[in-house]
Amino acid sequence: AQSVTQLGSHVSVSEGALVLLRCNYSSSVPPYLFWYVQYPNQGLQLLLKYTSAATLVKGINGFEAEFKKSETSFHLTKPSAHMSDAAEYFCAVTHYNQGGKLIFGQGTELSVKP
Amino acid sequence: KAGVTQTPRYLIKTRGQQVTLSCSPISGHRSVSWYQQTPGQGLQFLFEYFSETQRNKGNFPGRFSGRQFSNSRSEMNVSTLELGDSALYLCASSFPSGSGPGELFFGEGSRLTVL
Repeated sequence: AQSVTQLGSHVSVSEGALVLLRCNYSSSVPPYLFWYVQYPNQGLQLLLKYTSAATLVKGINGFEAEFKKSETSFHLTKPSAHMSDAAEYFCAVTHYNQGGKLIFGQGTELSVKP
Repeated sequence: KAGVTQTPRYLIKTRGQQVTLSCSPISGHRSVSWYQQTPGQGLQFLFEYFSETQRNKGNFPGRFSGRQFSNSRSEMNVSTLELGDSALYLCASSFPSGSGPGELFFGEGSRLTVL
């Protein structure tokens, strides 16, 4: 079985500060990992994905994540937060034969203070 | 290129009624997945359709059903509505690739309120 744990349901940072959103996964097979962002009253938008190629994955809007198999982690970072980054972020896991079935974490709401 | 379109965006039903939600995927996408999003349970996978066949199914009761048409449009139906079915229902489409799961493109969702 697969699962995802996002540490911290709410994270608050100041504008210009480092953003770090934590995600740990559990999977008995090689995982595919994703980070999605959801703005209020909207659907989810893909930020980045890990599909067994490079362990450091760069995504949109300056976000990146590093796959660490030994730590079963896929934390999301951004060097400098912007007010527009305020949203809810979801980490998700699947594997090769699961098609459109993703297992999502509970989400982390990011607030950015001016 | 138009995105994933879900209709209706908002609807209110009463307990015991049934509801049908519609999803039009991005042109060329043949896979459609449905998710339920609630504050308590988060995002949960309902089912996935590919080429008019259900390919994956989540852990929901039989009151939740879906189908896909030959043009890849999909509908999901919830019968005998319960208060706990109040949620945002998200549809996502993808273009399956030979190198693993394709990117899911989500619609804005249909927000169902059951009174």
